[in-house]
Amino acid sequence: EAQVTQNPRYLITVTGKKLTVTCSQNMNHEYMSWYRQDPGLGLRQIYYSMNVEVTDKGDVPEGYKVSRKEKRNFPLILESPSPNQTSLYFCASRGGGIGTQYFGPGTRLLVL
Amino acid sequence: AQKVTQAQTEISVVEKEDVTLDCVYETRDTTYYLFWYKQPPSGELVFLIRRNSFDEQNEISGRYSWNFQKSTSSFNFTITASQVVDSAVYFCALPQTGGFKTIFGAGTRLFVKA
Repeated sequence: EAQVTQNPRYLITVTGKKLTVTCSQNMNHEYMSWYRQDPGLGLRQIYYSMNVEVTDKGDVPEGYKVSRKEKRNFPLILESPSPNQTSLYFCASRGGGIGTQYFGPGTRLLVL
Repeated sequence: AQKVTQAQTEISVVEKEDVTLDCVYETRDTTYYLFWYKQPPSGELVFLIRRNSFDEQNEISGRYSWNFQKSTSSFNFTITASQVVDSAVYFCALPQTGGFKTIFGAGTRLFVKA
C-alpha cells in the first residue's frame, strides 16, 4: 500500500530536549516536505526536499532542521524545542511535476 | 506575493443543504495549479481535486463540484445535499512558482448537523 508514515504520532516533551520526528514514504517520490498546522493559520511549510541531499527552507524554518540522506526518509529535527513549536506536524511526498501531495497521518507535538 | 484566502472560518449547515466554500487566490504565474484537501475529524489530509489554470471548466464529482474563475481569481467548492460525513476542515492550496513551496489557506471548518 502506497503510504507516508510518521513517528511518533503523539509526543509530549519539555523545552530544550532534542527530538526527531521520522517520515518515510514507499512511493519512490523525489519530493518531500514538512508542514505545521496551527489553528487559524492553515498549513505552513517548514522545509522541503527536491531529492536526496537537496533541501530548502519553507516559510517557517526557524527552530527546525531536516536531512535527506535516503530517498524514502525525511526526518524533522527540533534541536531545542520551545512551547511555540507545539503544533500538528505533517510530512508529505509527491512524484514529479506539480502533482498531488500524499500526506502522512500527522504528529501532534506538545512542548511544555 | 502568492496568497490563498479562505474568508469563511466556520460554516454550519443542516443536512441536505447545499454549501459553498470560497477560495480566493493571488498569483503572478500565468500557469498554476490549485488544490482542495479535506481534513475530517480523524485528522488526516485527503486530496479532493487538482485544477490546472488552463482548464476553466467546472468539475463535478458526485455531490462535489468546483467552480474555477480566473477572472475573479476564485476556486470555489460546492457540496450539494450535504451529509454529516462532510463535516471537516477544507483547505485550498496553491503551489508557488516551480512547485516546491505550497501556500495553504487558513481552512474552512464545515459543520453539517443531522
